[in-house]
Amino acid sequence: IAGITQAPTSQILAAGRRMTLRCTQDMRHNAMYWYRQDLGLGLRLIHYSNTAGTTGKGEVPDGYSVSRANTDDFPLTLASAVPSQTSVYFCASSDVSSGNNEQFFGPGTRLTVL
Amino acid sequence: DQQVKQNSPSLSVQEGRISILNCDYTNSMFDYFLWYKKYPAEGPTFLISISSIKDKNEDGRFTVFLNKSAKHLSLHIVPSQPGDSAVYFCAATARVGNTPLVFGKGTRLSVIA
Repeated sequence: IAGITQAPTSQILAAGRRMTLRCTQDMRHNAMYWYRQDLGLGLRLIHYSNTAGTTGKGEVPDGYSVSRANTDDFPLTLASAVPSQTSVYFCASSDVSSGNNEQFFGPGTRLTVL
Repeated sequence: DQQVKQNSPSLSVQEGRISILNCDYTNSMFDYFLWYKKYPAEGPTFLISISSIKDKNEDGRFTVFLNKSAKHLSLHIVPSQPGDSAVYFCAATARVGNTPLVFGKGTRLSVIA
């Protein structure tokens, strides 16, 4: 099935724990993105990667890290989770060579940090 | 500083009538604009887009209008249907340099039967 998968679907995490959110796409898109969605704040970009091997910081990168070892996978890591990182996290991808930057989104991961 | 603004958090419209969702932007480098639709517990899905070389793009019941001088765009849904009830996000990008999309905060549309 073509598209983006995210895992886990939801997670409850104790503050201070390390957590990696997984994202995989099978569309061979060169660019991938991580957003968080919070009530009243819309979608805010955390990190992005325009191609395998490169990453960039978005609007709210603090407390998060990413890696892009290959085209398909773009994991997001919280090294030491804090309650303010409670959110819904969306991964997205796009084919920047298409010229329109239309992004395709995964189903999201709901993370609760206690 | 918000570069993309959706000033109406919510909108209620009767079924069959027109829904108009508005979006303003501040960055004059933006040259491509998109609307996404999001249902609860799902990821956003692409709805319609418009390039800055156009002032209108139509796709079925959905039309997006762009007023570059006012840095304003709007999404019109005619006729509105109950299944259109969702959160709508406006997004903008500058295609040079593959700039990531910048999203507004969203407008929750409720279409009442």
